[in-house]
Amino acid sequence: NAGVMQNPRHLVRRRGQEARLRCSPMKGHSHVYWYRQLPEEGLKFMVYLQKENIIDESGMPKERFSAEFPKEGPSILRIQQVVRGDSAAYFCASSPNGQGRHEQYFGPGTRLTVT
Amino acid sequence: AQSVTQPDIHITVSEGASLELRCNYSYGATPYLFWYVQSPGQGLQLLLKYFSGDTLVQGIKGFEAEFKRSQSSFNLRKPSVHWSDAAEYFCAVGAGGGNKLTFGTGTQLKVEL
Repeated sequence: NAGVMQNPRHLVRRRGQEARLRCSPMKGHSHVYWYRQLPEEGLKFMVYLQKENIIDESGMPKERFSAEFPKEGPSILRIQQVVRGDSAAYFCASSPNGQGRHEQYFGPGTRLTVT
Repeated sequence: AQSVTQPDIHITVSEGASLELRCNYSYGATPYLFWYVQSPGQGLQLLLKYFSGDTLVQGIKGFEAEFKRSQSSFNLRKPSVHWSDAAEYFCAVGAGGGNKLTFGTGTQLKVEL
């Protein structure tokens, strides 16, 4: 049973370009979470999605960031017009449902570097 | 809103010594509590979790944690540390709705041989 998959593992973008980060949840999981980890910091929640629905985006920056989890295919975190401050590790996690007692399984992360 | 405090940024222990990593949380109701471990360049792996019942929970790799409601704490312990335990450890709290986790800033563990 494959775990949570994220690609690419490393992504380099110049300022102003777009970054697309992909996350395939574990088989049977329909809930996806995105977190961002800045250097020397813990993970910060960004967004929580179910298939075709954004449930909680309270941690998403208001501009340039968007997320989707279509009926088919991976979840996508999209960052438009990247700036140096977007450099971070972005982790995706999945769970079988949204109940708190169920752990979130984390992917290996995508490390975004903005030059 | 919930919050998590890990007061120790770095801890160094000798191999074979005991370990305790501190975690304090703030949350209005009974929280769901988790400890994750992150090796360099890797994702997070769950060590253990607490959501009800026995306040002493056992996890993988010989770790355990004790939930103390009166102290709002969920400290992680291991009786004898191995060199392979060197990593960063994160405490997290989940709200009752179960969606987002709030993480502490992490404790970096170094193990001296």
